[in-house]
Amino acid sequence: DTEVTQTPKHLVMGMTNKKSLKCEQHMGHRAMYWYKQKAKKPPELMFVYSYEKLSINESVPSRFSPECPNSSLLNLHLHALQPEDSALYLCASSQENREGGELFFGEGSRLTVL
Amino acid sequence: AQKVTQAQTEISVVEKEDVTLDCVYETRDTTYYLFWYKQPPSGELVFLIRRNSFDEQNEISGRYSWNFQKSTSSFNFTITASQVVDSAVYFCALSEVPSGGYNKLIFGAGTRLAVHP
Repeated sequence: DTEVTQTPKHLVMGMTNKKSLKCEQHMGHRAMYWYKQKAKKPPELMFVYSYEKLSINESVPSRFSPECPNSSLLNLHLHALQPEDSALYLCASSQENREGGELFFGEGSRLTVL
Repeated sequence: AQKVTQAQTEISVVEKEDVTLDCVYETRDTTYYLFWYKQPPSGELVFLIRRNSFDEQNEISGRYSWNFQKSTSSFNFTITASQVVDSAVYFCALSEVPSGGYNKLIFGAGTRLAVHP
């Protein structure tokens, strides 16, 4: 079983809705990531948090708003999304003091925007 | 710029065949890390192997083996005696070495492997 837990597994929302994706890990990792993956494409990095601070924002539209309330939790707040934002959203974590350390991924939240 | 190329989009084999997935990378860094991940239909990316740029030893883990060659910038993955459970999308990835305590992975396009009974 994965040690990175993502909820919900599936989400359907309208373009005017506000929803959130949640990610939790208890491996003591201090680096956490959001990736977006479209069908038949590789994952694309969206955000990176290191020690609960936003370290990377890959020019993601402001309708995606990340939040890291503590070292174990990572949220992605969604508002006014477009149908093209439908994708699999993957959360990952890694050890902050392990150079080139592997990322551990959750099973993802499959988002459909109507 | 860093780049990972997986030229094989899809591979189809019959069970018990050996199959090699190719990965070619580009980087100007002298220190870097290479990874292979497996993505089954469930969606989770499963870590398979990590290799740093100073370690060119090949590695074998059960039916899986990896061949790292810096001279050709390749990090190929071979599955021996493939099984139906090996059916998945396999991603090769490269990471820079940032200083901020995180690890930015650059993924190849992936190779979809279908193993038929």
